[in-house]
Amino acid sequence: NAGVMQNPRHLVRRRGQEARLRCSPMKGHSHVYWYRQLPEEGLKFMVYLQKENIIDESGMPKERFSAEFPKEGPSILRIQQVVRGDSAAYFCASSPIGSNQPQHFGDGTRLSIL
Amino acid sequence: DQQVKQNSPSLSVQEGRISILNCDYTNSMFDYFLWYKKYPAEGPTFLISISSIKDKNEDGRFTVFLNKSAKHLSLHIVPSQPGDSAVYFCAASGFSSNTGKLIFGQGTTLQVKP
Repeated sequence: NAGVMQNPRHLVRRRGQEARLRCSPMKGHSHVYWYRQLPEEGLKFMVYLQKENIIDESGMPKERFSAEFPKEGPSILRIQQVVRGDSAAYFCASSPIGSNQPQHFGDGTRLSIL
Repeated sequence: DQQVKQNSPSLSVQEGRISILNCDYTNSMFDYFLWYKKYPAEGPTFLISISSIKDKNEDGRFTVFLNKSAKHLSLHIVPSQPGDSAVYFCAASGFSSNTGKLIFGQGTTLQVKP
């Protein structure tokens, strides 16, 4: 009866490196969302995926950020050539259907850029 | 453009009394609203939700009220307990957007004093 699993919990990268954040949704959930929380702010939507499809990426920065949810395996949020401003908590959520259902969140990945 | 606003950054109440957390929204297309509780270094935990066809939903000590004409919702916790001390986020989504993405407020830190 596992919840949403995110790893790693903490990730440290130097400027210019790549960061990969992984998310396994709750069992039976096929909808995955990624959110970012900057210090002292609320969570901001980034991207919504179903298996092998990106449904809504309106919150994703235009460059360096990408997301996937393959047929097998976890969803991946990838940040290329990281900069200091990418330091944040990244949360993944899942739901059984896409609308008007609670989303259940993982404990997040804290990304720190040196 | 903050579509969901929690104007009180913090609230302090005595154990056993009622806690009332408020949230305002600007987008009349929102039709589903949720409250989440968040402890430090953890992900948000779903508390309670309400759809726009209702004006009240109750679950144990938690009640959410929705005033569509005022574009306002509130969360009542009664009686408040020290374990309720956390950051509370309201969130909204619009079924018509067909993505289910949540728009979050900035959060209110609740402290319940023993």
